[in-house]
Amino acid sequence: EAAVTQSPRNKVTVTGGNVTLSCRQTNSHNYMYWYRQDTGHGLRLIHYSYGAGNLQIGDVPDGYKATRTTQEDFFLLLELASPSQTSLYFCASSGTGGALAEQFFGPGTRLTVL
Amino acid sequence: QEKVQQSPESLIVPEGAMSSLNCTFSNSASQSIWWYQQHPGKGPEALISIFSNGNKKEGRLTVYLNRASLHVSLHIRDSQPSDSAVYLCAVASSGSWQLIFGSGTQLTVMP
Repeated sequence: EAAVTQSPRNKVTVTGGNVTLSCRQTNSHNYMYWYRQDTGHGLRLIHYSYGAGNLQIGDVPDGYKATRTTQEDFFLLLELASPSQTSLYFCASSGTGGALAEQFFGPGTRLTVL
Repeated sequence: QEKVQQSPESLIVPEGAMSSLNCTFSNSASQSIWWYQQHPGKGPEALISIFSNGNKKEGRLTVYLNRASLHVSLHIRDSQPSDSAVYLCAVASSGSWQLIFGSGTQLTVMP
């Protein structure tokens, strides 16, 4: 079964702080995604990648960077965190891209920016 | 871009009842529709998907897709307290790999 883990599970930082969220998948999937989930907005795509070294921009990329270092690992970076980035962040992976591919989600990281 | 709206926002049903959740989308060329279930403190998990107009049944779940009316529904027969969760509808447009998610329906099944 697909396994996606995220760390940390909870993070509190201050405005202007640096934050790195980590995601690892162990199911040899090519595609990995970062979403944020906010009340009333559902899940919104921040960045995605289809392989090590690749990065694609999603729908809400402002203020976020991401890096895919290996097939397994995908990182989300907030270099100057703002209160508007307080949210629940999910990482997901899928074997292929496209509409036919099931996405497998991690447990989420709750980020609070004070 | 695709727009996805879900209704109702919240649904409370007694144990054993049928739960019916609705989702409308903006593009009749949408290629696929997925339903995800999300329990508190967990990530979403895919429940069922549909690609062709019509219906699809898996166990207690039935999905109906009507592309002409831009509407898809999820029905859970014999609802159980363990079905209590947020249900997310996700739609992918033709020619796009990206899933667009609705804001969800909170289902509560009362024992």
